[in-house]
Amino acid sequence: SQQGEEDPQALSIQEGENATMNCSYKTSINNLQWYRQNSGRGLVHLILIRSNEREKHSGRLRVTLDTSKKSSSLLITASRAADTASYFCASDEGGGNKLTFGTGTQLKVEL
Amino acid sequence: NAGVMQNPRHLVRRRGQEARLRCSPMKGHSHVYWYRQLPEEGLKFMVYLQKENIIDESGMPKERFSAEFPKEGPSILRIQQVVRGDSAAYFCASSPVGQGSGEQFFGPGTRLTVL
Repeated sequence: SQQGEEDPQALSIQEGENATMNCSYKTSINNLQWYRQNSGRGLVHLILIRSNEREKHSGRLRVTLDTSKKSSSLLITASRAADTASYFCASDEGGGNKLTFGTGTQLKVEL
Repeated sequence: NAGVMQNPRHLVRRRGQEARLRCSPMKGHSHVYWYRQLPEEGLKFMVYLQKENIIDESGMPKERFSAEFPKEGPSILRIQQVVRGDSAAYFCASSPVGQGSGEQFFGPGTRLTVL
């Protein structure tokens, strides 16, 4: 299966602003997850949203899922410099037990 | 409860040598996944294993690459006769059950450099 696409590829904002990144996928899914990756490090799971859910919150994170448009968005509110990282969406697109990752959004939060 | 462990963290090999990457899943997890990440790209699935079984190797190159998850010990991703194009970060993830029901927990990765 093809990887999903994320936009923007890169995003630079000031501390305190909100950051929104989007992800699209191509086929039906059971769930979609968002991960964060700091430079040169492993992935940290942020949030999982199931196909029958439309919105989910976790702290400063808000994820939406629109299955009709095959898209998801991740909103980080009141961003901090420590949020600087790459963010990836991953779905179980195509079924089975593998995750299909998006191309990622590089977020930079400046002081 | 220790997380997913991978070693080595960095591995340098010359062309033609073998690379052996190890992954110990989280305690209680019997499902292991290997992914490869090329520079500036997302992760791409390689193989999914349960204890002593390869369940899905659809993302694994047909030649030179192999994976195992023995009854005892860590999962091993083996790359024979490495080439420069094999240079990448290789991540292992584990889950208590098969995907479709929850998240996968990722290790810190092994960064392979082929000279």
